[in-house]
Amino acid sequence: AQSVTQLGSHVSVSEGALVLLRCNYSSSVPPYLFWYVQYPNQGLQLLLKYTSAATLVKGINGFEAEFKKSETSFHLTKPSAHMSDAAEYFCAVSSAGANSKLTFGKGITLSVRP
Amino acid sequence: SAVISQKPSRDICQRGTSLTIQCQVDSQVTMMFWYRQQPGQSLTLIATANQGSEATYESGFVIDKFPISRPNLTFSTLTVSNMSPEDSSIYLCSHRRGDTQYFGPGTRLTVL
Repeated sequence: AQSVTQLGSHVSVSEGALVLLRCNYSSSVPPYLFWYVQYPNQGLQLLLKYTSAATLVKGINGFEAEFKKSETSFHLTKPSAHMSDAAEYFCAVSSAGANSKLTFGKGITLSVRP
Repeated sequence: SAVISQKPSRDICQRGTSLTIQCQVDSQVTMMFWYRQQPGQSLTLIATANQGSEATYESGFVIDKFPISRPNLTFSTLTVSNMSPEDSSIYLCSHRRGDTQYFGPGTRLTVL
């Protein structure tokens, strides 16, 4: 079984500040890890993914995440927050194989203060 | 990734009625998925729909409540039957290409 833990439900940062959204996973097989973003009243958009290649993954809109096996983590960062980054962020885990299912964390709401 | 569209984008329905949500993908895909996102919650997989076979439902979801059709490789429908206010959610269609799942814009359902 696989699971994802996203501690806290809400993060607030000032515009221009570092964004750090935490994600820890549990998996009995090598994981594939994903970050999705959901803007208000919209569906989910893929930000970035880790699928066993480079451990530091760069995504859209200046976001990146680092896979750390020893810490079972896949935290999402962005050096400088923009107002447009305000959204809900979901970490998710799956694995290789056609029948693998995507399991989501509870999500974190990011607010950006002017 | 293939572009996914859903209809309707939102609806307000009366208790006891049914609503069918349509999902259209602009290219052929093998696996399609239906998710539910209850207010303030994460996404929960309802079922996996492969063309030409019966949908596979997750624990807690049954075909009588959420019948699914998958008539071809670009289209699927999810029906929410005999609705109650607890069915108020966003319903999202998804497909997988390679190792990644992509999502439609969702259908926001409110049941009164």
